[in-house]
Amino acid sequence: AQKITQTQPGMFVQEKEAVTLDCTYDTSDPSYGLFWYKQPSSGEMIFLIYQGSYDQQNATEGRYSLNFQKARKSANLVISASQLGDSAMYFCAMREPYNNDMRFGAGTRLTVKP
Amino acid sequence: GAGVSQSPSNKVTEKGKDVELRCDPISGHTALYWYRQSLGQGLEFLIYFQGNSAPDKSGLPSDRFSAERTGGSVSTLTIQRTQQEDSAVYLCASSLSRGRGNIQYFGAGTRLSVL
Repeated sequence: AQKITQTQPGMFVQEKEAVTLDCTYDTSDPSYGLFWYKQPSSGEMIFLIYQGSYDQQNATEGRYSLNFQKARKSANLVISASQLGDSAMYFCAMREPYNNDMRFGAGTRLTVKP
Repeated sequence: GAGVSQSPSNKVTEKGKDVELRCDPISGHTALYWYRQSLGQGLEFLIYFQGNSAPDKSGLPSDRFSAERTGGSVSTLTIQRTQQEDSAVYLCASSLSRGRGNIQYFGAGTRLSVL
């Protein structure tokens, strides 16, 4: 079964507007970590933001924030004031405590239009 | 630099040949991971090293794949008798330790093309 689901293969946003990238996950463990990574055309995976399952507040890092809805098992990434350099693939990932690996979604390709 | 370093960045090989991919993790990081990313796909876990513990090889797709980590630092992923389906980007990541919050930092990857 899919652990991480990203339902938007591609998204477009106008420069300076906000955009939300969707991510839902599946786990029966109460303790887990959620991550978002950006992968530009250069190929490197760049860490953006982390949310722990027990964290009371939604994580924020600069223009990135994570809309964490635990009961819905949803961890959407919000990018405010989009910039042209935000155009990239974005991956949601989850780490469970008894797994050594991180499970990734299929990704969303974001294109920022000038 | 201080990031994860992978070499070569690109590798073209003929079907049936062996290849070695190298990963130099961030200094001080005890955990090291290899992932494979096929064209347009998410990442597929291959293998995990943590300190001196036995590696978790549960993600290796076949016995043609092996990896080692020498001295708790540099790691080499070896693919023997390469097949065309092995063509992918191989990404290495490292983290301070294993815990759920430990962030994995990735290298730029090795793009492997098997002709």
